[in-house]
Amino acid sequence: LAKTTQPISMDSYEGQEVNITCSHNNIATNDYITWYQQFPSQGPRFIIQGYKTKVTNEVASLFIPADRKSSTLSLPRVSLSDTAVYYCLVGETRGYSTLTFGKGTMLLVSP
Amino acid sequence: DAGVIQSPRHEVTEMGQEVTLRCKPISGHDYLFWYRQTMMRGLELLIYFNNNVPIDDSGMPEDRFSAKMPNASFSTLKIQPSEPRDSAVYFCASTLTSGRPDTQYFGPGTRLTVL
Repeated sequence: LAKTTQPISMDSYEGQEVNITCSHNNIATNDYITWYQQFPSQGPRFIIQGYKTKVTNEVASLFIPADRKSSTLSLPRVSLSDTAVYYCLVGETRGYSTLTFGKGTMLLVSP
Repeated sequence: DAGVIQSPRHEVTEMGQEVTLRCKPISGHDYLFWYRQTMMRGLELLIYFNNNVPIDDSGMPEDRFSAKMPNASFSTLKIQPSEPRDSAVYFCASTLTSGRPDTQYFGPGTRLTVL
């Protein structure tokens, strides 16, 4: 499984756009990039997943450059409720699913 | 759907006692995972099942831990005997393999405290 590196913590203010970058230099051809969000006292929650270029949903956007050695989760106009830990995961799905969670990035959104 | 259901939500026990954690996956999901989360080690995969069969239990810390899935709608994680270092939040997750990248749906977790 490809190892991921992401900042331990980030601070932001309400209304700002937040970009969290994850490095995964050893990503394999069949690997997908997935981001999860975890609020205190809750289980992780899937946010977004992608393989290349750009993926957008109602929650976030995921930008993946051509070499796929990094990815950036973009949260538009964050609010206080976006304060959470964000995990970047890289793995292959081929008939089964195993996810390796790193330490994640603790995002603190202030008023 | 009610999502993944775990019980109990909180468990406090004394060292040496047996602890049983329960999980009901989302109906129709064919994979079930047990994770443990601590501040020191983060979120660790303990074991996962496919169609009720244990596939990989290499994350189970030691023989004191055991997990079963007697049917598609129920799984247990048992610790016997429990030790203070087992104190953690235990999550159950389930997913459905659909031939494309899938996602795991996590339950609310069981916070275990072993005194």
